[in-house]
Amino acid sequence: DQQVKQNSPSLSVQEGRISILNCDYTNSMFDYFLWYKKYPAEGPTFLISISSIKDKNEDGRFTVFLNKSAKHLSLHIVPSQPGDSAVYFCAVRDDKIIFGKGTRLHILP
Amino acid sequence: DADVTQTPRNRITKTGKRIMLECSQTKGHDRMYWYRQDPGLGLRLIYYSFDVKDINKGEISDGYSVSRQAQAKFSLSLESAIPNQTALYFCATSGEDPSTDTQYFGPGTRLTVL
Repeated sequence: DQQVKQNSPSLSVQEGRISILNCDYTNSMFDYFLWYKKYPAEGPTFLISISSIKDKNEDGRFTVFLNKSAKHLSLHIVPSQPGDSAVYFCAVRDDKIIFGKGTRLHILP
Repeated sequence: DADVTQTPRNRITKTGKRIMLECSQTKGHDRMYWYRQDPGLGLRLIYYSFDVKDINKGEISDGYSVSRQAQAKFSLSLESAIPNQTALYFCATSGEDPSTDTQYFGPGTRLTVL
């Protein structure tokens, strides 16, 4: 069974609008959550993280929200830019990092 | 220079051949990982190592083996390659503290098994 679920394989958003990527996890004991971004022909790169003691972490255009009771986190990108087109992986860190299947974000001109 | 390097970047091989993928890092991290990426399946952990004497199986270790030759080097072997091992393979490193260290990935190796 998947411990980290990204139920939307892809998402298209108009440039300048908000992109919202969602992620659900199964284990309430997870205490550190991350988002990675991946361009074609490159390895994933770390984007933003949040500890379970917080419910929001913001870094420029990127904000991650954590809802522990729902075991849900989301990544908000605002405003969306063409360079944000990539695959985004949600991940949880236990003694190792467990990744979701990813969501491909397309930013439309 | 890249912090995490992988060789080769691309490899085409035949069924039954032995293949080794190599990973080197200059981050000084103790922890190293091997993942494979398949379309629609995300990143799946094959093996990981928390220090030179530590090797652990990940989610999909069958058909693979690893060797941690030094703190900076972690290699992945396919003893007898099969077509369903065709995938993108990524090496990664991390520090121990999850609040300050994240995983750093190499550029990947594209492996095709015919």
